[in-house]
Amino acid sequence: DAKTTQPTSMDCAEGRAANLPCNHSTISGNEYVYWYRQIHSQGPQYIIHGLKNNETNEMASLIITEDRKSSTLILPHATLRDTAVYYCIARTNAGKSTFGDGTTLTVKP
Amino acid sequence: DTAVSQTPKYLVTQMGNDKSIKCEQNLGHDTMYWYKQDSKKFLKIMFSYNNKELIINETVPNRFSPKSPDKAHLNLHINSLELGDSAVYFCASQDRANTGELFFGEGSRLTVL
Repeated sequence: DAKTTQPTSMDCAEGRAANLPCNHSTISGNEYVYWYRQIHSQGPQYIIHGLKNNETNEMASLIITEDRKSSTLILPHATLRDTAVYYCIARTNAGKSTFGDGTTLTVKP
Repeated sequence: DTAVSQTPKYLVTQMGNDKSIKCEQNLGHDTMYWYKQDSKKFLKIMFSYNNKELIINETVPNRFSPKSPDKAHLNLHINSLELGDSAVYFCASQDRANTGELFFGEGSRLTVL
């Protein structure tokens, strides 16, 4: 699994877009980028994943650079309930998920 | 209907005791995991089973013994509990054949006194 690097923490104003970056410069061609989040002490929750193309679902958008060495998770209109630790993972779809330290996102009123 | 359920949610016990945590998933997935999250919030993979066979064992002390009676269940038995075993243990189920998405349970908080 490719190593990922994320900022330790970020703040975002409520109602604004939250843009969470992730570097995965050693990602292999068959490795996907997955994003999860953990709200307080709950179990981590899947958000989105992608291989090459940008992806969007009801929770977020995922923008992957053309060289696939980095990506950005976008929460278009952050709410207080989006305050959580966000994890970026690069792996094959059958591979194991190794969680790093993640980014602690704090959404402020 | 809960997709991945763990029991018990809370467990307080004395050092030296043996305890078990159970996990069940109703998603029809073939692969299940145990993760440990300690007080520093680092989420570490422990074991993975695929169709009742152990496929990942991340050098966990052999006091920890996972058991998978069928692919919908993955239980974790811990012998001779130590203070350092205090943590939240998360079970997860994976849709390996399709999206590879992990579905986590709510966690079981183990406190060893």
